[in-house]
Amino acid sequence: VIWMTQSPSLLSASTGDRVTISCRMSQGISSYLAWYQQKPGKAPELLIYAASTLQSGVPSRFSGSGSGTDFTLTISCLQSEDFATYYCQQYYSFPWTFGQGTKVEIK
Amino acid sequence: QVQLVQSGAEVKKPGSSVKVSCKASGGTFSSYTISWVRQAPGQGLEWMGRIIPILGIANYAQKFQGRVTITADKSTSTAYMELSSLRSEDTAVYYCATSKLGRMDVWGQGTTVTVSS
Repeated sequence: VIWMTQSPSLLSASTGDRVTISCRMSQGISSYLAWYQQKPGKAPELLIYAASTLQSGVPSRFSGSGSGTDFTLTISCLQSEDFATYYCQQYYSFPWTFGQGTKVEIK
Repeated sequence: QVQLVQSGAEVKKPGSSVKVSCKASGGTFSSYTISWVRQAPGQGLEWMGRIIPILGIANYAQKFQGRVTITADKSTSTAYMELSSLRSEDTAVYYCATSKLGRMDVWGQGTTVTVSS
């Protein structure tokens, strides 16, 4: 099983801030990593896959980077609709696993 | 664009089984795989398994091995997830999602399963 450490678990920020979320793997996964956004009571939505490829329709203020064991999601200029919980997910090997989640809240 | 519509909420007794359906429309069912992910109240996401409908082959997370069965009916473009020997810890929202090369890009609306005596 590939274990994932996502940090921070809670991030307090203001509109317009640049925020970064980290995801670290227990072993290398090349670029087989996705990021999701989830709002309360809703299904998750895919933001980024293959570590850095933006899903169609996702605003360009979202970006992903990294490969191997260390990955980062960056929101360049936080908007009000971005306050949500974010998850990383590896799909390098079964079982596919998710990070513990990062809640981005209003400061 | 593919859309996934799941069956309605369920309330089950401990020890029983639940079967949740996920009907796909607007796409070619055999061109993608279907994953099941659950989320307990206030908790994170947990991948349970996935099926390749065109082959009928499923992979499961070891945690659920022996208790979960994922199937697909190509004739109705519907995937199913059956979980047996339910316990209170299985209370969660269960999601299906298309899993193209591992990334889950289209999600169902979720099905709440409550296990309570």
